[in-house]
Amino acid sequence: GAVVSQHPSWVICKSGTSVKIECRSLDFQATTMFWYRQFPKQSLMLMATSNEGSKATYEQGVEKDKFLINHASLTLSTLTVTSAHPEDSSFYICSATTGTGGQPQHFGDGTRLSIL
Amino acid sequence: AQTVTQSQPEMSVQEAETVTLSCTYDTSESDYYLFWYKQPPSRQMILVIRQEAYKQQNATENRFSVNFQKAAKSFSLKISDSQLGDAAMYFCAYRGGAQKLVFGQGTRLTINP
Repeated sequence: GAVVSQHPSWVICKSGTSVKIECRSLDFQATTMFWYRQFPKQSLMLMATSNEGSKATYEQGVEKDKFLINHASLTLSTLTVTSAHPEDSSFYICSATTGTGGQPQHFGDGTRLSIL
Repeated sequence: AQTVTQSQPEMSVQEAETVTLSCTYDTSESDYYLFWYKQPPSRQMILVIRQEAYKQQNATENRFSVNFQKAAKSFSLKISDSQLGDAAMYFCAYRGGAQKLVFGQGTRLTINP
């Protein structure tokens, strides 16, 4: 149980295009989803927290107009990287949780984004 | 703000031996959770073990156990009978009232056959 599906797993696109990454909880309802960014050989950095039906809360330094997050249902959150540039190339990982307290976060397999 | 520190960028151990990964954290909260995650080369994040701060008993999951010292704000992971499949990046993480995970820098564990 507690499977999180993230698509696509790898995307290559030209500079200036927008890229959408989907994060789905397959067998549970995720009240909260998180989006992380991971540079090579570094730790995960939280970008934003999204709750179903409300606006995402972005971490300091993360451009909300650049990284659009939508959490339209209890099983789906999307991250759109708008007008992507080479510096946006990274590994993006989503996670989802069913509730508060000690409920663990379940992670997707990540998306490798390469901007040419 | 809460911080998590892993002071060992890399560790190595002989297969079948025991290794301990260190983690310290800083918080003013009294109610929180601590986690160890494993990230193999596939980059999938795998939950290894979880500890509730209000529980004095150290968590154990098969070959994995923790030494949780709340007063010292220390949360180390012990891997017994190390196996080749244990080779990965290990991240210590804190979760408090804000519900978001704060990760340490990670420790790369190598298992020598």
